[in-house]
Amino acid sequence: DQQVKQNSPSLSVQEGRISILNCDYTNSMFDYFLWYKKYPAEGPTFLISISSIKDKNEDGRFTVFLNKSAKHLSLHIVPSQPGDSAVYFCAAKTGTASKLTFGTGTRLQVTL
Amino acid sequence: NAGVTQTPKFQVLKTGQSMTLQCAQDMNHEYMSWYRQDPGMGLRLIHYSVGAGITDQGEVPNGYNVSRSTTEDFPLRLLSAAPSQTSVYFCASSYASSRSYNEQFFGPGTRLTVL
Repeated sequence: DQQVKQNSPSLSVQEGRISILNCDYTNSMFDYFLWYKKYPAEGPTFLISISSIKDKNEDGRFTVFLNKSAKHLSLHIVPSQPGDSAVYFCAAKTGTASKLTFGTGTRLQVTL
Repeated sequence: NAGVTQTPKFQVLKTGQSMTLQCAQDMNHEYMSWYRQDPGMGLRLIHYSVGAGITDQGEVPNGYNVSRSTTEDFPLRLLSAAPSQTSVYFCASSYASSRSYNEQFFGPGTRLTVL
């Protein structure tokens, strides 16, 4: 049973436009969410996170939005750049545990 | 700091062989974990450890053993390799959840092929 879902395996966006990556979760006990970025042949790297007490967190070009009632979060990248082309994983955890539950990932391609 | 290191980078095994994937971190992190990444499956947790001497099973533990004798090292052992264990394996570490954040740092991965 996939508790964290990324329903779009891939996304293609033009350089300069907004990229929106979506993530849904089913476990209402999740209270902390993270996004990781992964380039080929490298390990995932942390990008941005959000606590369930917030509905938005911003870091430069990256903004994560959380809608707890819908159990949905999204990552916005504005403006998108070719270097943003990577696989993006959504992950979630509960407050008392260190372990993360990951989604299946979305491959973002930013075209010129 | 070297961060999280993994060896080897690549490995080819025959069915039935055993091997150990090494993982080490120099950030004094309490929590360490192993994931496997397969196409369409994302990152799935194999085993994890919240400190030296303490390990627990994740989502897909069958066929793998771990131990945590030191804070720094967390090796993953394949007891009798099977083709279904062909995957890319990532080790990760972080501070324990009691801290205000616990961003996990990942190693570069080990690409394993079992023939």
